[in-house]
Amino acid sequence: AQKVTQAQTEISVVEKEDVTLDCVYETRDTTYYLFWYKQPPSGELVFLIRRNSFDEQNEISGRYSWNFQKSTSSFNFTITASQVVDSAVYFCALSEANSGYSTLTFGKGTMLLVSP
Amino acid sequence: DTAVSQTPKYLVTQMGNDKSIKCEQNLGHDTMYWYKQDSKKFLKIMFSYNNKELIINETVPNRFSPKSPDKAHLNLHINSLELGDSAVYFCASSQKVPSVPQETQYFGPGTRLLVL
Repeated sequence: AQKVTQAQTEISVVEKEDVTLDCVYETRDTTYYLFWYKQPPSGELVFLIRRNSFDEQNEISGRYSWNFQKSTSSFNFTITASQVVDSAVYFCALSEANSGYSTLTFGKGTMLLVSP
Repeated sequence: DTAVSQTPKYLVTQMGNDKSIKCEQNLGHDTMYWYKQDSKKFLKIMFSYNNKELIINETVPNRFSPKSPDKAHLNLHINSLELGDSAVYFCASSQKVPSVPQETQYFGPGTRLLVL
């Protein structure tokens, strides 16, 4: 069975600090997809990134970057120069291709609090 | 210009009542989902429909019945509400593409259900 672990329950940083959110996953499949979603205090779930298991290139989008390491089954998310608006719960999720239809197994989330 | 919408946003009701939550997506997707987020923020799949056909039904009490009148709508009806049903319910949608089995899911804003 697939599993996603976000060991950090809560992280507090001061604005402009860099912060990394960890995500470790377990799957028996060779083909799978990894996702990050953001849930701000307003409650909606916002899609951030999708990465398939064959693409280990790191991705950068503005202040956000993702590091996918198959060898350690990790898909970590770094926010550079954090801002108050980054305060949210961040979820890592895993989907296996063999399941036929896309279902997401979510980690328990990491709450990030950025203070001014 | 809303992609995935849910109504109502908030629902407060008494134990034993029957209630429905509606979901609509205008993304042209053919697969829709219901997720439950509990008080600890844990997100878990409940149901998934593809082209109005039920394809995923996790271990959910029979009191929960999804209904898909067309592929743009997936409603959730809950009978005999219990205190433990209090949660945030998220609708999501994705496009099932044969060559890409795990497309991104886009979520609605959530419905906050409180059972008293």
